[in-house]
Amino acid sequence: EAGVTQSPTHLIKTRGQQATLRCSPISGHTSVYWYQQALGLGLQFLLWYDEGEERNRGNFPPRFSGRQFPNYSSELNVNALELEDSALYLCASSLYGGNGYNEQFFGPGTRLTVL
Amino acid sequence: QKEVEQDPGPLSVPEGAIVSLNCTYSNSAFQYFMWYRQYSRKGPELLMYTYSSGNKEDGRFTAQVDKSSKYISLFIRDSQPSDSATYLCAMRAQKLVFGTGTRLLVSP
Repeated sequence: EAGVTQSPTHLIKTRGQQATLRCSPISGHTSVYWYQQALGLGLQFLLWYDEGEERNRGNFPPRFSGRQFPNYSSELNVNALELEDSALYLCASSLYGGNGYNEQFFGPGTRLTVL
Repeated sequence: QKEVEQDPGPLSVPEGAIVSLNCTYSNSAFQYFMWYRQYSRKGPELLMYTYSSGNKEDGRFTAQVDKSSKYISLFIRDSQPSDSATYLCAMRAQKLVFGTGTRLLVSP
């Protein structure tokens, strides 16, 4: 069974540009989560999508946005990039992530560097 | 104050040692407690999870949750060089909240 996949592996942008990151969940999983892992800060929750809708959002500015497609894959967009956006962006998927516990399976991440 | 506090390490031990990794938290609403392992250039993978207080054992790994003290631990017995990784605690109420991770180095 294929795991969570993310593309691209690495992305280099300059300040002010936009970045688009992509994630394909495990087959059968409807929930997709995005996390930012910056040095020294651990994983910070960004967004949770399920069945095409945004279900929850972390403490990030509106220039971090995304969407989930009918095939449950997801896209994270970061507009007006700032130097501090440089981080590893991790996508995870699970069965419906509502009440109760459903294990989140992580992809390998996209390393975003903002120059 | 962060919701979840975790010593970043690094923690260096010789092969065969018993390793103790810990996290403290402030949100009493957390009900699910997890430990993830993250190798370099990889995404985190779930090691163990527990619901509410108590102990859980899986091979060389034991997870403990003390909700009264808001303290969780992961013990690794007979540590191996292949255990060298960053260990992240995580807890869930409405969303998953991670600690910053502890880097563990097990030397042969």
